[in-house]
Amino acid sequence: GEDVEQSLFLSVREGDSSVINCTYTDSSSTYLYWYKQEPGAGLQLLTYIFSNMDMKQDQRLTVLLNKKDKHLSLRIADTQTGDSAIYFCAESLNQGGKLIFGQGTELSVKP
Amino acid sequence: KAGVTQTPRYLIKTRGQQVTLSCSPISGHRSVSWYQQTPGQGLQFLFEYFSETQRNKGNFPGRFSGRQFSNSRSEMNVSTLELGDSALYLCASSSTGEYSPLHFGNGTRLTVT
Repeated sequence: GEDVEQSLFLSVREGDSSVINCTYTDSSSTYLYWYKQEPGAGLQLLTYIFSNMDMKQDQRLTVLLNKKDKHLSLRIADTQTGDSAIYFCAESLNQGGKLIFGQGTELSVKP
Repeated sequence: KAGVTQTPRYLIKTRGQQVTLSCSPISGHRSVSWYQQTPGQGLQFLFEYFSETQRNKGNFPGRFSGRQFSNSRSEMNVSTLELGDSALYLCASSSTGEYSPLHFGNGTRLTVT
């Protein structure tokens, strides 16, 4: 079935690394995405990874994909207070514009 | 390039009324998808339009409908509004929909009283 799970909350200190985890159930996922949502705003695309890749790095962001365990993670290096937001992972099942989203992880960065 | 534009940003409607939301995709994008976001259900896919045709549909009642125009702009309509339709409605566009990432607008916040 289609299901994406994330932990709901993560709290870190400014300057530390944050790791947000996500698990998914459908092995036919083609792309996996990370979006960021700030209060009152829509979803901002952060990064995405194709299912045949293990890792993708983009500036402070590192995405790791373990396809065997169906586990996806987003690491944010040198986390800043401006990174405080809700982070969503989502999987694409090659059904056009349909993504399956997790519940979102609220990241709180303390100075 | 301008992002995805949704209008209006906020709407307050009464139960039983109908509402139309508008979405202008990123220039050159031909696929438009709609999502409903609520605290209880999270982000749920409503439908997707590509080249004026509905290509994919989620599990929502027939009161939820949409359309896409030849310039790729899209509208969604909700008839006979219920209190449970109160939500943030997000529109996303992509160049083809498949194998291309979705870019979201800031949403329309609908409150049904």
